[in-house]
Order: sequence, then structure tokens, then C-alpha cells
Amino acid sequence: QQQVKQSPQSLIVQKGGISIINCAYENTAFDYFPWYQQFPGKGPALLIAIRPDVSEKKEGRFTISFNKSAKQFSLHIMDSQPGDSATYFCAATDQTGANNLFFGTGTRLTVIP
Amino acid sequence: KAGVTQTPRYLIKTRGQQVTLSCSPISGHRSVSWYQQTPGQGLQFLFEYFSETQRNKGNFPGRFSGRQFSNSRSEMNVSTLELGDSALYLCASSLAQGQPQHFGDGTRLSIL
Repeated sequence: QQQVKQSPQSLIVQKGGISIINCAYENTAFDYFPWYQQFPGKGPALLIAIRPDVSEKKEGRFTISFNKSAKQFSLHIMDSQPGDSATYFCAATDQTGANNLFFGTGTRLTVIP
Repeated sequence: KAGVTQTPRYLIKTRGQQVTLSCSPISGHRSVSWYQQTPGQGLQFLFEYFSETQRNKGNFPGRFSGRQFSNSRSEMNVSTLELGDSALYLCASSLAQGQPQHFGDGTRLSIL
């Protein structure tokens, strides 16, 4: 059973546009929600993360929005650039418990010039 | 500061063989986790080690095992390789439990 559901599977955005990727989870014990960016031939790189005590976190062009009651969180990439073209994974874990990351299925983002 | 280093980067084996993969965590990181990445199953947790002890294990058969050394370096072993074991094996390290995990670039294992 997929613990974290991610959509869309793929996304094409114009340069300068906003990319939005959504994730949903079921396990209310999850208390840490990171996003990873992966380029071909590379491992996932930690992009930004949020804990459920805040509803939004922003780092540069990347923003996580978190809705605890709906058990959903999303990544917004503002002013998307061709260099942002990569696969993005949301993840969730219970850091006070098992600490293993449960990943979404990934979103392949393509930013066209 | 050097990142997580995994060796080798690529490996080709045949069915029935066994393989050992190596991971050197970021300096000072004591927790090491292993994940398997495949197109069909995505990223799945294998196991986590902290202070040379396996602290958590995912839903993989006993053919998959690991260990951690006193310098926090970790190895993962897969015995009696099957075609379905072809995957990218990723190692992630963190300072301790409850800290962000940082991944290496993985070992691409192909089974013929």
C-alpha cells in the first residue's frame, strides 16, 4: 500500500511559470515531510522540508504548503527554469519512530524555454 | 564537506551470485539508511544502521543484509541474486535519528 500518494506523474511548464506538485498521506504519525530533487544519474538531493507545526515554508523559489487536516502537502516552484527539469519526490516519515522515509512515486518536471 | 560516497557506481552480476555495496557517510553522520530504487516500485526502504546496530528494517527478504562499522561506514550485501534485484541502490546518511537524510549517487546493479 502506497503510504504517500503523489501527483501528477509528469508536468510540463513554461519557463517563468509555476510548477505545482501534490502529495497526500494517511499515517497521522508522520511528522516530517521532505522534498527531494533527482537528476538523471544522480541520487535524490534534499530540497526543502516541513514539519506539521507550520502551514508553509519558503526557501528561495521553492515553497511547501502543508494542510494537516487534509493530510496533504504540496511543492510550488515559482519562476520555473529549464534547470529545474528533474524528477521530484515527496516523502514522509515518523522521525520519533522508525525514521525511514516513505516516498511518493515521483513527478517528472520539464520546463520548456 | 564531502557528501555520501557509494562504491562501486556500476556493477554487473549474474543470477545466483552475491554482491557487496559500500557506503561512506558524510563526516560526523552516524546513521546510515539504504534504499532500493526501481522504475516499477519506486524508492523503497531497506534498512537503517546507527552505531553499528540495525535499528529498522524494511520489507525485503533475508537475502538483503547490511552492517555498519565503527567509523559509520556501511556495507550492504545481497546473496543469491535474482533478475528482480536489478536496481539503483541508494545510501543516505544523517547526523542521528530525526535528522535530514542526505543521499549518495547510488550503485547501479544489473543482473544478467
